[in-house]
Amino acid sequence: QVQLVQSGAEVKKPGASVKVSCKASGYTFTSYGISWVRQAPGKGLEWMGWISAYNGNTNYAQKLQDRVTLTTDTSTSTAYMELRSLRSDDTAVYYCARDYYDGSGYYDAFEIWGQGTMVTVSS
Amino acid sequence: EIVMTQSPATLSVSPGERATLSCRASQSVSSNLAWYQQKPGQAPRLLIYGASSRATGIPARFSGSGSGTEFTLTISSLQSEDFAVYYCQQYNNWPFTFGQGTKLEIK
Repeated sequence: QVQLVQSGAEVKKPGASVKVSCKASGYTFTSYGISWVRQAPGKGLEWMGWISAYNGNTNYAQKLQDRVTLTTDTSTSTAYMELRSLRSDDTAVYYCARDYYDGSGYYDAFEIWGQGTMVTVSS
Repeated sequence: EIVMTQSPATLSVSPGERATLSCRASQSVSSNLAWYQQKPGQAPRLLIYGASSRATGIPARFSGSGSGTEFTLTISSLQSEDFAVYYCQQYNNWPFTFGQGTKLEIK
């Protein structure tokens, strides 16, 4: 079945970097874009950025664009999100999510989600 | 950046009744709007895309309407499993943005 499986929880110190992986299966990886969305404890959803698995084109949220990099490895059908210069307010669950295809067109709505990766930033 | 504003923040409704949730965009997003349901400890679930189209497997009691800047999610007859937090999201312009959520609770 179609699924996205993310890497495990991380604990990092302020100023460090984290790289979260998102392995896709059950579909043609290069046919869809992947977005990354995060959710701080008890808070709402925050879109971080999008990457085309076809050609690597990216778009980032302005507040994060200096610290986040999205990449893909088509040989392993895996997307990656790297966040640098971590701060305490980066503590959140990080999700990858796939664009939606309804049989006639692609939409930047997210039907398939990873299980989430908890990243804790603490000294 | 387009700001998405949801109302109310919390909605208390009895099972079997209708729930109406609102989402307003700070500028037109055409029909490029999605609705999600999220339960504690779970990833969000796509309900509606294109403002009014139900995603695969979504029950007919969920319906979406609107275009431009004003959108509505209606749940026609609330079931126990529908009590959750609901988010709208626009994907008309980069950066994509979410509303702050509406918590639907049992009255």
